[in-house]
Parts: sequence; C-alpha cells; structure tokens
Amino acid sequence: NAGVMQNPRHLVRRRGQEARLRCSPMKGHSHVYWYRQLPEEGLKFMVYLQKENIIDESGMPKERFSAEFPKEGPSILRIQQVVRGDSAAYFCASSLATGNYGYTFGSGTRLTVV
Amino acid sequence: QQPVQSPQAVILREGEDAVINCSSSKALYSVHWYRQKHGEAPVFLMILLKGGEQKGHDKISASFNEKKQQSSLYLTASQLSYSGTYFCGTDLDSGNMLTFGGGTRLMVKP
Repeated sequence: NAGVMQNPRHLVRRRGQEARLRCSPMKGHSHVYWYRQLPEEGLKFMVYLQKENIIDESGMPKERFSAEFPKEGPSILRIQQVVRGDSAAYFCASSLATGNYGYTFGSGTRLTVV
Repeated sequence: QQPVQSPQAVILREGEDAVINCSSSKALYSVHWYRQKHGEAPVFLMILLKGGEQKGHDKISASFNEKKQQSSLYLTASQLSYSGTYFCGTDLDSGNMLTFGGGTRLMVKP
C-alpha cells in the first residue's frame, strides 16, 4: 500500500502563476482533507472532500483557491494567481470513513512563491 | 475553535516522562493525537472517543476527560525517537473534520 501520495514535493511559482497540487488517497479511502502549514506553526484546515463532492470548504479562501476530487483521479488543490503569502506546506490527508478513523497524511507539497 | 495545547515546548533527557495537554472550549466527539518530525508528514498516534477513555500505545498513552473537554498525552521513559512536534486534533461531531492545536515541540536529549 503506497500510502497517501502527493506531488510535486516542491513547487516554485512566480507571483501571478497558477499552482496545482495533487493528492492520491490511500487505497480504499474516500475522504480527503487539505491542510496548510506555515513554518513552525500548526495545521490549518482548508477543505474536506469526498468523491465528486465538497463537504466543507470553510477554511479555504473564497478567491483564487479551489479544490476537487473527481470520480477518477487524484484530488487537486488549485491556487490561481499565487502571491508570496501562499508560500507554505500543503498537506493532504485521507481517512477510511468518518467517526473513528485516524488520518493518514501525505508528505506534503512545499510551495514557494518568488 | 482551535484547541489549546500546553506546554508549547518541552525538553527532556532520555528516560524522563512528559505530559502534553489539549483543551477545547466546545464539546468534543473525539480527540486525535499526531506526531510530526521536522520536514515530514504528521503521523497518527491514537484516537480517543467521548466516553472518557484511556488508550495506550507502547510507552505513549492518552486520556480524554469528557467533562472538562481535555485530553492528555503521556510519554513515559522517553526515547530519542520521541522528539518532534505533537498535535492534538479535535472533532466536534463525528464528521471527522479535525481542528488542530498549535502543537507542542518535544526534544529528547541523550
């Protein structure tokens, strides 16, 4: 079992460009969560998705950020027109179901905006 | 509402014990504990459900006081490998959407 796969591991974008972060959950996991982490800080919730549905996007900025988890393929977190403040580590996690299941985290994508 | 963790940082010698606390202002369905080493992904340690249970995981155990909405993580006879940042994550309603605390940095020295 390959675990949660995120790519790329590192992404450098110039201000104004788009960033696409990919996450393939663990096999059998249908719940995907995206978190953002600034250096030396905690994990901030962004969005919770199930296949083809956004369950909760209360932590995601309304402008420039979007997320999807299509029927086929990985979950995508998309940041349009990136700014320096978007620089952070973005972690994806998956779980088997709700209720009593822990998260399995991917290794993260470290986004640097120059 | 973000849970509050204390202490923010702790330094131990190998073999010493530590307690990390996590408090919420809201009623909780469950509390999760994770450890993150520098530059790596957080790793799941354990989950505690409402009902005031206590769990163990080798020399790492945890309790959940439902009345106080508090959880504590106990690390006994610490090893160098315990070093890292510990996060609690709280779930309000079994929807499994976690809000994480600010973390506790633990350093174990030889």
